[in-house]
Amino acid sequence: GENVEQHPSTLSVQEGDSAVIKCTYSDSASNYFPWYKQELGKGPQLIIDIRSNVGEKKDQRIAVTLNKTAKHFSLHITETQPEDSAVYFCAASQGGSSASKIIFGSGTRLSIRP
Amino acid sequence: DGGITQSPKYLFRKEGQNVTLSCEQNLNHDAMYWYRQDPGQGLRLIYYSQIVNDFQKGDIAEGYSVSREKKESFPLTVTSAKKNPTAFYLCASRLSSGNTIYFGEGSWLTVV
Repeated sequence: GENVEQHPSTLSVQEGDSAVIKCTYSDSASNYFPWYKQELGKGPQLIIDIRSNVGEKKDQRIAVTLNKTAKHFSLHITETQPEDSAVYFCAASQGGSSASKIIFGSGTRLSIRP
Repeated sequence: DGGITQSPKYLFRKEGQNVTLSCEQNLNHDAMYWYRQDPGQGLRLIYYSQIVNDFQKGDIAEGYSVSREKKESFPLTVTSAKKNPTAFYLCASRLSSGNTIYFGEGSWLTVV
C-alpha cells in the first residue's frame, strides 16, 4: 500500500524567510496530493493541492511542486509570517472512490521566529 | 453555514463507559471518515463510509464502532473495550466525485 514520508518533523524559520517541507510517496498510482494546515486544537484545513498532471501550483505565498518520476512533492511558503506557525500535513491518494485511502504524512511543526 | 460539526468539543469518560462522538455535515458529501490524532502525532484512520448503511474498518478500528443511517451523520462510539482512548478525534467528509477531504474541528476525549 501507499506510504508517505514527511520531512522535517520540526522547522523553525525567521519571519520573512522561506520554509520548505518535503514529502515522498511510494505508490506510483497516487495522483492527488493535498497539503493541510492544522492550528492548535483545530481540525486540519486544506491550503493547497496538486494533481499528477501538473508540476507546480501557486497560491499567493504558498506553492507546491511535484516530481512524479522521483515520487516526491514539496510545500514552499515564502515571506513567512507569524500566522504561518502551525502543523502541516502532506497526503497522497489515487482519487475517485480510492480517495478513501488517502494517506497522510506524519506532520511538520513549523515555527516562525519574530 | 455549510460545514462539518463535531460535538462535544470536550468529553470526559470514566473507565468502563462507552461514549459517542457526533459528526454532522450539511455539505451533501457522500463519504465520511473518523481519524484519531494523538498529541504531536499524525492522523490514523479509524473507520470510513462511502455510502449510507455501509462502512469499512480503517487501520485502528478495534474498540470503536460506527453507524451510517443518514447521509449527513456518522457517529463514532468509543467502547469500554478500547485501551488508551484519550486522544483528539477528527471527523471528515468528501464528495464522491471529488478528491478533497474536509475536516471538522475535532473532539477531545479524555479518560478519567
